[in-house]
Amino acid sequence: DIQLTQSPSSLSASVGDFVTITCRATQSISAYLNWYRQRPGQAPELLIYAGYTLHTGVPSRFGVSGSGTEFALTISSLEPEDFATYYCQQTYTSPLYTFGQGTKVEIK
Amino acid sequence: QVQLVQSGAEVKKPGSSVKVSCKASGGTFNTYAVTWVRQAPGQGLEWMGGITPIYGTPHYPQSFRGRVSITADESSTTAYMELNRLTADDTAVYYCASRAAYGFDAFDTWGQGTMVTVS
Repeated sequence: DIQLTQSPSSLSASVGDFVTITCRATQSISAYLNWYRQRPGQAPELLIYAGYTLHTGVPSRFGVSGSGTEFALTISSLEPEDFATYYCQQTYTSPLYTFGQGTKVEIK
Repeated sequence: QVQLVQSGAEVKKPGSSVKVSCKASGGTFNTYAVTWVRQAPGQGLEWMGGITPIYGTPHYPQSFRGRVSITADESSTTAYMELNRLTADDTAVYYCASRAAYGFDAFDTWGQGTMVTVS
């Protein structure tokens, strides 16, 4: 089974900060990786799919890099709605999937 | 764009079963894949399995195989997730989510979640 490990597990940041979250896979998954944001008390929402593609309506402050086993999600300038938990999801083994354990972005 | 509406909160006894529904509207049901994800209190997302109604065969991770059953009824455009032999560890919010069966492999529509408490 492919496992995904996110780091850090949590971080504190301020509005306007640049933030990086990483997702590491136990084997190469090419670019078969999605990212989701989950705001408190809400369902997850899709941010990025197929490694690099921003989902419709997702602002350009979100960026991604990486392929193979190491990936990064960046937020160039945190907005209040970005204080949330972020999850990566691998689709390399579709229709079987796994999620990372999540990274919580908290207000400093 | 499809919308997903889930059934209401449930309280169950240990050892019993729960069946959560997920009704889709606004799209062609059999052209979507539906997945189920759960989230225990304060924990992360856990993928439980999924089904594409047009193909019919569900897929489950090893961790849930034999204990979960995911089905879809095209006539009512509703997907179901049934979990058996419940324990306190199954207390969680259960989400259904969907994607276009012939589109990108990511879940872009989510239900509102169903809280299942096992006590």
